[in-house]
Amino acid sequence: AQSVTQPDIHITVSEGASLELRCNYSYGATPYLFWYVQSPGQGLQLLLKYFSGDTLVQGIKGFEAEFKRSQSSFNLRKPSVHWSDAAEYFCAVVPSNDYKLSFGAGTTVTVRA
Amino acid sequence: KAGVTQTPRYLIKTRGQQVTLSCSPISGHRSVSWYQQTPGQGLQFLFEYFSETQRNKGNFPGRFSGRQFSNSRSEMNVSTLELGDSALYLCASSLAGGGQYFGPGTRLTVT
Repeated sequence: AQSVTQPDIHITVSEGASLELRCNYSYGATPYLFWYVQSPGQGLQLLLKYFSGDTLVQGIKGFEAEFKRSQSSFNLRKPSVHWSDAAEYFCAVVPSNDYKLSFGAGTTVTVRA
Repeated sequence: KAGVTQTPRYLIKTRGQQVTLSCSPISGHRSVSWYQQTPGQGLQFLFEYFSETQRNKGNFPGRFSGRQFSNSRSEMNVSTLELGDSALYLCASSLAGGGQYFGPGTRLTVT
């Protein structure tokens, strides 16, 4: 069955430390891949997207993600987190022949001083 | 460019009532999608419209419906509200083949 998995429900990281959020997908063909961030009570903000080409994608707010076809993964990274990065992060996919986003369950990031 | 706007932002309804939510996409975006977000089920796709046509529909009962107007604005309607319909309803717009950009959502509470 098609699915998107974010293995980590909650991650706590110190301010200034690096962050990596994991995302794995299970689809027949490589889908389009996205990361979104949601602050409490807010909508979702698109951080970055991958359609094809260079497997390392740069996004907004200093985030990047790497697509690894062999591992069916699209992990999100940030070298140095800021307190404002505390939020919930969602990985999402769209099959290349479809229009609807399928989301992972989300990873909540807490940043400690 | 102005982002996706949704009205109202907050809504309280009683079981059995119906509700209409509105979404205005980013200028030039012709695709509008709706999602329901709840703590238990997460983010779930409701439906997607393009040029006033519903192209895709999620696994929701017929009480959930939508439409899109010629200016790409979209509405979704939920009839005969149930307690379980309490959720954040998110609208997203996109250009063909692009990422989806979300509005702030409408928080619906059914009592």
